[in-house]
Amino acid sequence: GESVGLHLPTLSVQEGDNSIINCAYSNSASDYFIWYKQESGKGPQFIIDIRSNMDKRQGQRVTVLLNKTVKHLSLQIAATQPGDSAVYFCADIYTGANSKLTFGKGITLSVRP
Amino acid sequence: KAGVTQTPRYLIKTRGQQVTLSCSPISGHRSVSWYQQTPGQGLQFLFEYFSETQRNKGNFPGRFSGRQFSNSRSEMNVSTLELGDSALYLCASSFASGGYEQYFGPGTRLTVT
Repeated sequence: GESVGLHLPTLSVQEGDNSIINCAYSNSASDYFIWYKQESGKGPQFIIDIRSNMDKRQGQRVTVLLNKTVKHLSLQIAATQPGDSAVYFCADIYTGANSKLTFGKGITLSVRP
Repeated sequence: KAGVTQTPRYLIKTRGQQVTLSCSPISGHRSVSWYQQTPGQGLQFLFEYFSETQRNKGNFPGRFSGRQFSNSRSEMNVSTLELGDSALYLCASSFASGGYEQYFGPGTRLTVT
């Protein structure tokens, strides 16, 4: 598989516990924030997004929190399962001229059975 | 609906050679973005094509180039390969230019020896 997890911080959680993955961003003009999950041998997969005028958004077992004051984004995963083991990336984008996704470094989530 | 496909999946080249990678977007998507992923630098934006025109470019040398065809398929080319070009090259498609809802392919793993 792809060794995308090298040099990345790792979060280890017990199966069934809740996970919190944190991310900082730098562009105060960004208007969308996205979390991606990347499993070994695959490309990043969209999990959930949040618009800059919101501070919380919930999906299925996942919640994203946005704190624009400190430029901080977090992903909460409820009842973490072995299938959640992957590398997680946050990304932000300003959807104006020359818009592009800017990715964070990524965090490896490891779920202990 | 078929996802984003990339060919080849794995490639081994020698320093100084050139390489062409191919990406077929999701049907109906007209934007294709390319990213380089390495353990040290993470995911970095290379360029975006929309309707056969390059809309945005990242901070990579001119050895990296791309193009898009009328059917939205895209190719990227790297000339005069260097050892540091070894990486996973990902393409992502979206409906609109600069869109934040990007869908990634599995990537092409390029190894330069």
